[in-house]
Amino acid sequence: SQTIHQWPATLVQPVGSPLSLECTVEGTSNPNLYWYRQAAGRGLQLLFYSVGIGQISSEVPQNLSASRPQDRQFILSSKKLLLSDSGFYLCAWNRGGYGYTFGSGTRLTVV
Amino acid sequence: QQQVKQSPQSLIVQKGGIPIINCAYENTAFDYFPWYQQFPGKGPALLIAIRPDVSEKKEGRFTISFNKSAKQFSLHIMDSQPGDSATYFCAALNAGNNRKLIWGLGTSLAVNP
Repeated sequence: SQTIHQWPATLVQPVGSPLSLECTVEGTSNPNLYWYRQAAGRGLQLLFYSVGIGQISSEVPQNLSASRPQDRQFILSSKKLLLSDSGFYLCAWNRGGYGYTFGSGTRLTVV
Repeated sequence: QQQVKQSPQSLIVQKGGIPIINCAYENTAFDYFPWYQQFPGKGPALLIAIRPDVSEKKEGRFTISFNKSAKQFSLHIMDSQPGDSATYFCAALNAGNNRKLIWGLGTSLAVNP
């Protein structure tokens, strides 16, 4: 069966520090991968999506970047975090079909 | 530009009631309409989904009603329980657009005992 792993679960980082969040998918190949951000009590904002290794599409201009170094690995990064980067970050995947499967999320607090 | 409009933003019902959450869309190219359920601190999970060639789909206590001419769809939760308290998101997908889901802003549902 397919599973998606996302870590860490929670993270507190100072303003100006770097960020690296990792997401991996097991049990499938060539998935479409997505990074979302969810502000407290708000909807889901698509940040990046990838249809293959090295292929990244950015949805909104921001302080973040994404990379896909391996087929089932998706990384969200920042060189210098801003207070506004705080939020709940979710990784998701789908393949061929229509349903998205989400990871358990990372709660990032920038202080 | 929000392509999927969801209402209400929040909803409170008593146990056993039937909460109804509504969504409206604009893009007639959408061909898949899922509902996701999200509990606090967790990622959203697919609850039920419908294609535009049917008007209703039922899975357990959850029912989607779909009105293609009005470009609207809704989620009904029969015999609601306190455990149904969560945030519900509707979404729409255009299979020809890299399978990106377009999301509603969510409805926070509270079911009182």
